[in-house]
Amino acid sequence: DAGVIQSPRHEVTEMGQEVTLRCKPISGHNSLFWYRQTMMRGLELLIYFNNNVPIDDSGMPEDRFSAKMPNASFSTLKIQPSEPRDSAVYFCASSWDTLIPGGYTFGSGTRLTVV
Amino acid sequence: DAKTTQPTSMDCAEGRAANLPCNHSTISGNEYVYWYRQIHSQGPQYIIHGLKNNETNEMASLIITEDRKSSTLILPHATLRDTAVYYCIVIRPQAGTALIFGKGTTLSVSS
Repeated sequence: DAGVIQSPRHEVTEMGQEVTLRCKPISGHNSLFWYRQTMMRGLELLIYFNNNVPIDDSGMPEDRFSAKMPNASFSTLKIQPSEPRDSAVYFCASSWDTLIPGGYTFGSGTRLTVV
Repeated sequence: DAKTTQPTSMDCAEGRAANLPCNHSTISGNEYVYWYRQIHSQGPQYIIHGLKNNETNEMASLIITEDRKSSTLILPHATLRDTAVYYCIVIRPQAGTALIFGKGTTLSVSS
C-alpha cells in the first residue's frame, strides 16, 4: 500500500498565480480531509469529503480556496489567486469513514511557498 | 466536541518512560480520547484511543481516569525517534465529524 500520495512535495509560486495541490487517497477509503499547517495557526482542518461529497468546508479561509473530489481516487485543492499568507504545509488524509477517527492516514504534505 | 489542555512541552531521557498528560474536563459520555503524534515535517500518525478503559498497543498505553476528565499517554521506553508533537483529541465518532488538532505537547527525548 503506497499510502496517501500528495503532489507536488514542494511548490514555489509567485503571488497572484494559481496553485493546484493534488491528493490520491488510500484505495477503499471513503473519507478525505485537507489540512493546512503553519507555525502561527497550527494544524487546521480546511474541508473534508465523504463518498466524494463535501461535508464541511467551514475551514476554507476564503473564496480563493476551492476543493474538489471528482472520484474516489483523486482530490484537488486549488488556490486562485495565491497570496504570501497562503504559504504553509498542506496535508491530505483519508480514512475508511468519518466514524473511525483512529483510521486517518496522512500524506507527506505539500510545502507551498508564495513569494 | 470537548476541548483538551496539554502542556506545551516536555523532556524525557532516552530509555525512560514518557508520560504525557491531557485534561478534558468537559468530555461527554460518548466521546473518545484519541492520541496522534507528528514527527518533524511528516503528517500526523495515529497512536491509540480509548473510551473509559485503559488501552495498550505496540506503540503506547493510554490511562484514562475513572471520571474521564483526564488521561495520560505513556511511552514505556522512549527513544530519540519518539521526539515529536503529541496531540490529544476528544471526539465523538459519528458521521459528519473530523479530527480537530490543538497545539499539542512537544516531547523532546534526549540521550
